[in-house]
Amino acid sequence: QKEVEQDPGPLSVPEGAIVSLNCTYSNSAFQYFMWYRQYSRKGPELLMYTYSSGNKEDGRFTAQVDKSSKYISLFIRDSQPSDSATYLCAMRILTGGGNKLTFGTGTQLKVEL
Amino acid sequence: DGGITQSPKYLFRKEGQNVTLSCEQNLNHDAMYWYRQDPGQGLRLIYYSQIVNDFQKGDIAEGYSVSREKKESFPLTVTSAQKNPTAFYLCASSTRTSGGYQETQYFGPGTRLLVL
Repeated sequence: QKEVEQDPGPLSVPEGAIVSLNCTYSNSAFQYFMWYRQYSRKGPELLMYTYSSGNKEDGRFTAQVDKSSKYISLFIRDSQPSDSATYLCAMRILTGGGNKLTFGTGTQLKVEL
Repeated sequence: DGGITQSPKYLFRKEGQNVTLSCEQNLNHDAMYWYRQDPGQGLRLIYYSQIVNDFQKGDIAEGYSVSREKKESFPLTVTSAQKNPTAFYLCASSTRTSGGYQETQYFGPGTRLLVL
């Protein structure tokens, strides 16, 4: 079993829809959570990061962490065609471990006109 | 502009050949990382370095080598011992906060390695 599970998709939604992207994890030592967006043939771009349980909002993006359920989500409101990309969740333990990140496999999102 | 650069964008390797991928950063970050990305497998850590002249193996170091002679540079060599080198290679860097924790990693644009 992988430490981080993420549905690969593809997920196709109409423009303006609310998108929910999710990851589950098995290692309770993970304390720091990130979401990256990766366009085709490009490097990942950091979208959001958080240490704590609860919600963190940044514009159209909301990151949600539920440590008791070992479950994280990224919500995208008013989705746009430019949001079409692969979304990677990543996480690590807070101290030590050399800042090693454990990634999900990524969810491919397509927002259609 | 501050950032991470990787070169070349595409690299072709012949059988039995060693090739070197370049990664440079001008962010003054302490730590640098190399990942490999394959379809359906996410990113896997090859090597990382937290300070100059020191580096550690990641999860899939076999067939790869690195050096860290300068803070700004962390080149990756794909040796002939790596039997399946075709992949997208990503370099990243991060810096240490005042609390001693590493900040989030920021990525370069990647190098696509193909075997002839």
